[in-house]
Amino acid sequence: NAGVTQTPKFQVLKTGQSMTLQCAQDMNHEYMSWYRQDPGMGLRLIHYSVGAGITDQGEVPNGYNVSRSTTEDFPLRLLSAAPSQTSVYFCASSYVGGPGDTQYFGPGTRLTVL
Amino acid sequence: KQEVTQIPAALSVPEGENLVLNCSFTDSAIYNLQWFRQDPGKGLTSLLLIQSSQREQTSGRLNASLDKSSGRSTLYIAASQPGDSATYLCAVRGALIQGAQKLVFGQGTRLTINP
Repeated sequence: NAGVTQTPKFQVLKTGQSMTLQCAQDMNHEYMSWYRQDPGMGLRLIHYSVGAGITDQGEVPNGYNVSRSTTEDFPLRLLSAAPSQTSVYFCASSYVGGPGDTQYFGPGTRLTVL
Repeated sequence: KQEVTQIPAALSVPEGENLVLNCSFTDSAIYNLQWFRQDPGKGLTSLLLIQSSQREQTSGRLNASLDKSSGRSTLYIAASQPGDSATYLCAVRGALIQGAQKLVFGQGTRLTINP
């Protein structure tokens, strides 16, 4: 299994540009989520999905859109990038079940918005 | 609102020492608690997961304990090695609401093991 994969690894955008961060998992996990990691703020939940066609907002959803058309993929879209969105973005997945379900994280995408 | 705190923010110890990392949380109604390791520029690797009904979990030189009533967890690392140098993150998960498994993270403890 490849686990959770993310592309690209690095990206530089100009203010106002749009882009999509890709996330895929091959473990047949129902639950997928996006976090951003900022110095001094820790990891914060952006959006999550409990299955294909079902998404919801996390703690910091403004400026981001998501959709889930398949179990495997959960892309994160930035419609109009802002410098405040400079961060490291992590995708995670897990089964939806009991309290013993571990969340698996991807390697991250480092985004800089100029 | 759940808040997770990790103290200290950074720790430097000589190789071979046993050490304890601390994690505290404000709401004891947790579903589970997970300890992660993050190497510089890398993603998160799960080390140990403790379910709310458990008191501790062990994996090799690592032992994690959970005391829900006091809102605390500790990660014990025995016989530390330079390869243990990394940032250690604690995350708690609240009750399952419509399948959502939201994790609330602490800000981590940056550990350096000196040869």
